[in-house]
Amino acid sequence: DMKVTQMPRYLIKRMGENVLLECGQDMSHETMYWYRQDPGLGLQLIYISYDVDSNSEGDIPKGYRVSRKKREHFSLILDSAKTNQTSVYFCASSFGNSDYTFGSGTRLLVI
Amino acid sequence: QQKVQQSPESLTVSEGAMASLNCTFSDGTSNNFRWYRQHSAKGLEVLVSIFSDGEKEEGRFTAHLNRANLHVSLHIREPQPSDSAVYLCAVSMGYAQGLTFGLGTRVSVFP
Repeated sequence: DMKVTQMPRYLIKRMGENVLLECGQDMSHETMYWYRQDPGLGLQLIYISYDVDSNSEGDIPKGYRVSRKKREHFSLILDSAKTNQTSVYFCASSFGNSDYTFGSGTRLLVI
Repeated sequence: QQKVQQSPESLTVSEGAMASLNCTFSDGTSNNFRWYRQHSAKGLEVLVSIFSDGEKEEGRFTAHLNRANLHVSLHIREPQPSDSAVYLCAVSMGYAQGLTFGLGTRVSVFP
């Protein structure tokens, strides 16, 4: 069963702590994405990864960085988390432009 | 930058009636259009993907694309209470840009 897996599903962090969100896919898709979803703003693209160590900023990259050392794994890192980074984070992967698969999301609360 | 707008913001329909949702986009070079359903606090479920002008049917869900009018719609035939959810329109110009989402239409289906 082809899927994108996100860990953890729920996370509570204090302001200033570092946060690591992890995403894995079993489809050998080259391209992977990180989005965040907020009420009134919808889903916004944070970063795109075209393959291992080939990453590009999306529309809202400030405050985030990513790491992709293996094709099947894409991490989102928040260095010194802020309360305005409380959100639901979705990872996705795609095969070209024809097949996008989303994970179930990680709910992050920064207090 | 791509703009995707959905209307109406919310829609209430009776079980069995047709539900129609609209989505307009700003970039005429867009070539990949998707409708997703998102139940409360859940992930994204793809309903229909459409790549060329015309109609695409997937079960009770039909998408209509008119790129000249920068418009894609979704029609839900015989909606059921379990179809109550937020419906998201997503548009892409290519995998390098990822998907741009609208803010969604909240659909409520009453028996």
